Order: sequence, then C-alpha cells, then structure tokens
Amino acid sequence: AQKVTQAQTEISVVEKEDVTLDCVYETRDTTYYLFWYKQPPSGELVFLIRRNSFDEQNEISGRYSWNFQKSTSSFNFTITASQVVDSAVYFCALSEEGDKIIFGKGTRLHILP
Amino acid sequence: DTEVTQTPKHLVMGMTNKKSLKCEQHMGHRAMYWYKQKAKKPPELMFVYSYEKLSINESVPSRFSPECPNSSLLNLHLHALQPEDSALYLCASSQDGTGYQETQYFGPGTRLLVL
Repeated sequence: AQKVTQAQTEISVVEKEDVTLDCVYETRDTTYYLFWYKQPPSGELVFLIRRNSFDEQNEISGRYSWNFQKSTSSFNFTITASQVVDSAVYFCALSEEGDKIIFGKGTRLHILP
Repeated sequence: DTEVTQTPKHLVMGMTNKKSLKCEQHMGHRAMYWYKQKAKKPPELMFVYSYEKLSINESVPSRFSPECPNSSLLNLHLHALQPEDSALYLCASSQDGTGYQETQYFGPGTRLLVL
C-alpha cells in the first residue's frame, strides 16, 4: 500500500520568510514517482515538479527548491523569500507502477503581508 | 495559462436536474481524468479515459456518467445528484494514461452545488 503524509495541516509565515513543507511517503516499490502540486483559492491544481525514485538530486526553480531523500522517504519543498501569491494548498503525491496517483492531505500555506 | 479548460466554472442544480460538465484539453494528450474534491480534502479519482476508452471507474455511482467524444473532450453527465455530491470537480489530462510516471495537468474545476 502506498501512503503520503503531509503532517503540517496549516502553516502561516510572514512574507519574505522561508518556509518548508514536509512530505513523507511509504512505498514498497523501488520505482515510483513523486509530485508536488499547488492549489490556489481559484481551485486549479498547478503542477510544480515530478521526480522519479532514481533521481535524488535536489532541484531548484527560482524561489522553489525540493529536497528528495530516499533514506528518510521524504520529499520536502522549500519556498525561499515567500510572497503573498504563494498562499495556497500544496499537495505532495506519489504514484507507483500499476497504481493511481495518491495525494497527501495537503498543507494550507498562509503568507501574511 | 492552463491548457485544460472546464465549463461551467460554477453550477447550482436541484436533485432532479440533469446537467453536464465539460472539459477540453489542447495539449494533444490521450488520457483524461475526472476527480472530485471536497472542501479541505485531496482530489479523489473518479474516472480515467485512455485513447477515448474508459479504463478506470473508481466505483462511482451511476448518477455520474462520463463521456469522451474525442481525445480532446471529456464530459461528465449528472443526473439525480444528492447534496453530498456538492464539490469541486476537476478534469485533468496526461500523455496517454498508460504510465504511472505521467504528469497530470489539471483544469480550473467546476464548483458544483446540489440543492
């Protein structure tokens, strides 16, 4: 069985602070994919990143960065110098062969001006 | 801008009404999905179409009826819904639906309220 845990239900930070969203997953497969999606109040899920289980290299995209550690089964997401527009619900998700994508429960992020 | 569009954005319907949700994608994808999302919950998969054929039905009640007229269009026909069916309905598409590695791209959703 696969499972994705986002232990932080809700986070509030002041604008320009850095914030890390945690994601811990469980899988018995050696080959799997991890995703992060952003869902702003408008409702659309916006794709942020996809990472396969064989690529542990950390990734940076502008103010966004991701830390993938297989040893701890974590795929954490950091926003540097947060902005009000980053306020959204963020979902971490896992898919493995033969199975549908499984979303975590999401972390609601509030960036306060 | 999203390349997956959904209409209408909002829909209010009575329990005896018949309505349809529409989704269109412009990315040349061959797989399309319907998800249901209740407030403060993650999306839940309802249906998957791959190459215009229904490949997955997640035991969805028959009052929801999907249709895929062509590879770019996906409809969800609604009939005799219950108030608990009120939710955000999201459409998504991916390359061809045959691989778990595929990224799904989502539309903006239709917010449905059943009275």
